[in-house]
Amino acid sequence: ETGVTQSPTHLIKTRGQQVTLRCSSQSGHNTVSWYQQALGQGPQFIFQYYREEENGRGNFPPRFSGLQFPNYSSELNVNALELDDSALYLCASSSLRQGVRTGELFFGEGSRLTVL
Amino acid sequence: KQEVTQIPAALSVPEGENLVLNCSFTDSAIYNLQWFRQDPGKGLTSLLLIQSSQREQTSGRLNASLDKSSGRSTLYIAASQPGDSATYLCAVAKAAGNKLTFGGGTRVLVKP
Repeated sequence: ETGVTQSPTHLIKTRGQQVTLRCSSQSGHNTVSWYQQALGQGPQFIFQYYREEENGRGNFPPRFSGLQFPNYSSELNVNALELDDSALYLCASSSLRQGVRTGELFFGEGSRLTVL
Repeated sequence: KQEVTQIPAALSVPEGENLVLNCSFTDSAIYNLQWFRQDPGKGLTSLLLIQSSQREQTSGRLNASLDKSSGRSTLYIAASQPGDSATYLCAVAKAAGNKLTFGGGTRVLVKP
């Protein structure tokens, strides 16, 4: 069984640039969610995708956007980067199929974004 | 709005001592509660998942209890080892597949 994988693991950008982070969900999982974790804090929910549509969003501005593909992999895009966007971005997958609704989330290793 | 609090923010114990980590949440209408471990700079590893209808879950040296009515969960780690040093996070979900609301974590150091 393949776990959640994220790429890249580390990247450095400058203010105003755009970034795309990628996530492959765990085998058999059809739901992907993204979280932002600032240093020393708990993760904050950004949004979730189910069947290629956004299915819930946290308190993040529209410059945070995403996609889910037919194979359930996902992208997180952030435009007009700000210094405060520096964080660990975590992707999590889960299954919402009937009969498998424990709600347990499985996380990837994260992408560490530094904005200079 | 759900708020999750973990106290203390950090603790240090000698090897062999039992660990007790606390998590409290303000809205008792939860679907489940999940405990995670996070090593420095790494992702989250799921430790235990407790459904709202359950009172506890056990896995090896780990035991987590849930008192939904009082908005509390406790993670017990028996006979701590230096390898247990990490940050432990609890998170609650309002519905299946719903977003998780996390606490700030408890940073644990187990001294040899």
